[in-house]
Amino acid sequence: GDSVTQMEGPVTLSEEAFLTINCTYTATGYPSLFWYVQYPGEGLQLLLKATKADDKGSNKGFEATYRKETTSFHLEKGSVQVSDSAVYFCALSGSARQLTFGSGTQLTVLP
Amino acid sequence: DAGVIQSPRHEVTEMGQEVTLRCKPISGHDYLFWYRQTMMRGLELLIYFNNNVPIDDSGMPEDRFSAKMPNASFSTLKIQPSEPRDSAVYFCASSLATGQRYEQYFGPGTRLTVT
Repeated sequence: GDSVTQMEGPVTLSEEAFLTINCTYTATGYPSLFWYVQYPGEGLQLLLKATKADDKGSNKGFEATYRKETTSFHLEKGSVQVSDSAVYFCALSGSARQLTFGSGTQLTVLP
Repeated sequence: DAGVIQSPRHEVTEMGQEVTLRCKPISGHDYLFWYRQTMMRGLELLIYFNNNVPIDDSGMPEDRFSAKMPNASFSTLKIQPSEPRDSAVYFCASSLATGQRYEQYFGPGTRLTVT
């Protein structure tokens, strides 16, 4: 079945540091890939998405590229801010309608 | 635009009581999902509906859990009787079949505490 493997957290960075959160997936066919973000006490918000190989999703300075050859969708940001502190989830949608989520990565950015 | 609406936001109840969680999806969306989130198990899909019909309830933990969607703008998740291990945050999400491929929009969640 479909699965998503995410980098174990927690991740702690200083403000303005470079961020990478690794995500790899297993799926049949051609899944769509997503990154969701969850701020404390809130629901999940869609951060970015990519629907086919080599697509780059981007939003709020975050980027991720759909790499079919390595089955990866790593999240990156060049300069993180304290306000980026949250839990980040990688997810895919395959042949079924539901999303398959990774376990989440807690990011803390220190001033 | 109004997003997914859930109520209540917080619920504290005693073991053995019935709990009903409510969800209003985004207008026009035809898929609705119920998730449960805990520290130990992460995000779990409980059940989802398409056009008000339950499609997959394999994630519902046991018979104490039931979900309904009487119309396109309302769904409930009921736990009867509740147990302490049901304590979690319950999320509702909706999506549009013809929209961007399967992306889901989440509500703010209901934090359930069973004592």
